[in-house]
Amino acid sequence: GAGVSQSPSNKVTEKGKDVELRCDPISGHTALYWYRQSLGQGLEFLIYFQGNSAPDKSGLPSDRFSAERTGGSVSTLTIQRTQQEDSAVYLCASSPRPSAKNIQYFGAGTRLSVL
Amino acid sequence: DQQVKQNSPSLSVQEGRISILNCDYTNSMFDYFLWYKKYPAEGPTFLISISSIKDKNEDGRFTVFLNKSAKHLSLHIVPSQPGDSAVYFCAASAPIGAGSYQLTFGKGTKLSVIP
Repeated sequence: GAGVSQSPSNKVTEKGKDVELRCDPISGHTALYWYRQSLGQGLEFLIYFQGNSAPDKSGLPSDRFSAERTGGSVSTLTIQRTQQEDSAVYLCASSPRPSAKNIQYFGAGTRLSVL
Repeated sequence: DQQVKQNSPSLSVQEGRISILNCDYTNSMFDYFLWYKKYPAEGPTFLISISSIKDKNEDGRFTVFLNKSAKHLSLHIVPSQPGDSAVYFCAASAPIGAGSYQLTFGKGTKLSVIP
């Protein structure tokens, strides 16, 4: 079966523009996570969707960041008025159901470069 | 305030020898610990995990040890192979309410296995 798919794989944009990053989770996975990895840093949690529950947005760094998950499947992360510090690899992960073990399956990420 | 710390950014080991990657944590609420492996331009992939009630888990060449009193865990790879060269992330799972769980990641250790 297909893994987590993210598009585009690379995105170059100009400062001030809006960008949309897409994630297709593994079919049947109820949980979906977005992370950001800046250069030399670990994975920074951004947002978490679980089924039809309200998302956990506690990791979003500013109100320029938002995400939605339509129909409990595909998710889009939107960054408005991009800044140079938004340059990073944005990773999406999904997991089948909530569990303490919490094994998450990651996509290859979108590398965002803001010029 | 980093709750999961990997203090060694890099590690070089000769092929055939043991690789030991270390991880420290501060949050006593973590109930599962996971190691992920990441190759360049790919997403992290799950490697091995350990429950907080265990002190050792072994899977082939990979063993994870947990010292709960010291809030320390380590990943042992023996014998190390060139294909093990990657960035290894330590992650810890904690409940965040309503049956949901969140992973907190360290910054990673880049392992280079020299042939």
